[in-house]
Amino acid sequence: DAGVIQSPRHEVTEMGQEVTLRCKPISGHNSLFWYRQTMMRGLELLIYFNNNVPIDDSGMPEDRFSAKMPNASFSTLKIQPSEPRDSAVYFCASSLVGLTSGSVDSYEQYFGPGTRLTVT
Amino acid sequence: DQQVKQNSPSLSVQEGRISILNCDYTNSMFDYFLWYKKYPAEGPTFLISISSIKDKNEDGRFTVFLNKSAKHLSLHIVPSQPGDSAVYFCAASTTDSWGKLQFGAGTQVVVTP
Repeated sequence: DAGVIQSPRHEVTEMGQEVTLRCKPISGHNSLFWYRQTMMRGLELLIYFNNNVPIDDSGMPEDRFSAKMPNASFSTLKIQPSEPRDSAVYFCASSLVGLTSGSVDSYEQYFGPGTRLTVT
Repeated sequence: DQQVKQNSPSLSVQEGRISILNCDYTNSMFDYFLWYKKYPAEGPTFLISISSIKDKNEDGRFTVFLNKSAKHLSLHIVPSQPGDSAVYFCAASTTDSWGKLQFGAGTQVVVTP
């Protein structure tokens, strides 16, 4: 089975440029998550979607960051304009979550290999 | 604020012995806990989880223990194998914010022959 697919795996760009990271979740999963990992802050959640709808974007650092999920099999994370402090590894994860009467049947998230972003 | 803490950045253990990884949390609302393993240049891989209604969950060589009164959980790996050398992350969540996994800083485990 194909896991979560992320592209590109590495991205080097200059400050001020627009960067777009892409993610294809596991087929059949209904939730998608974007994380960022840095030495200083560790692994932190940026935003997550359920059934293509953004649920919580409180982790998005600022307006330069935006994420979309136009359909169940694709999501993008865009940084415009990029800054050197955005350099990090960005992970996408997906899961199949059942939400019934306030209970959750699964918390497990399955991560992609990540995109290493370097902004010079 | 860091609500999930892994205070040991590294652990070295001999092959065949037990590895014990510890995790502390501060938010008493957390009701689900997970452990992930991460190899270099790969994404974290789900390992094992436990609900707050349990105090132990076992899956093969991996056992997670939860002590709610102490707000502490641990992961036991028995016996440790060279392939277990990786970074291990503890994560926690609440039912209300099911998608917001709070991760610890990770513990680097090295299993020596």
